[in-house]
Amino acid sequence: DTEVTQTPKHLVMGMTNKKSLKCEQHMGHRAMYWYKQKAKKPPELMFVYSYEKLSINESVPSRFSPECPNSSLLNLHLHALQPEDSALYLCASSQPQDRQYFGPGTRLTVT
Amino acid sequence: AQSVTQPDIHITVSEGASLELRCNYSYGATPYLFWYVQSPGQGLQLLLKYFSGDTLVQGIKGFEAEFKRSQSSFNLRKPSVHWSDAAEYFCAVGAPHSSYKLIFGSGTRLLVRP
Repeated sequence: DTEVTQTPKHLVMGMTNKKSLKCEQHMGHRAMYWYKQKAKKPPELMFVYSYEKLSINESVPSRFSPECPNSSLLNLHLHALQPEDSALYLCASSQPQDRQYFGPGTRLTVT
Repeated sequence: AQSVTQPDIHITVSEGASLELRCNYSYGATPYLFWYVQSPGQGLQLLLKYFSGDTLVQGIKGFEAEFKRSQSSFNLRKPSVHWSDAAEYFCAVGAPHSSYKLIFGSGTRLLVRP
């Protein structure tokens, strides 16, 4: 199984809502990532978890809160987002120093 | 600092024609090099990667890339393009033995004429 799954596929939320994005992999990878991708732009790294510990936070605003409950799951909790946070959110996983496997993404729209 | 340049924002080729997408990187040593493809609204799929060894790398879907250290380049090629190859292509570099970061180029959108 070389798949990273993400739910939901689409999400529309108001600026006062709280929602969560979910990512799952069963490849035994010890690193998991969140990326944000705006239209016609490359993915931008947000967070990296390594061995279930947060190892990289790319100065992401606190309205985005990552969580890694176990080695297979990665969540991104969203609260009080702004319209400019609308984007495709991609999850990825990898073994250390190896290629990253990407999920299909969650299309987020903030109204 | 690492950086990746994809000088072509758009490329249009006819179906059946050959393709070359350019990628230049800036890094103090030999980085890990990747080409990913992304269809609209989808995730990224790895086409090929270079870590070390043979500088001509074969990938999926008939793609290949050649690492040229002297030119700091990692260009992607395909001898005959299919309409289904129309997508966004990203070159990326990673630093061996250090962080998990991938630095992406800005991407090249490939359009295929029938």
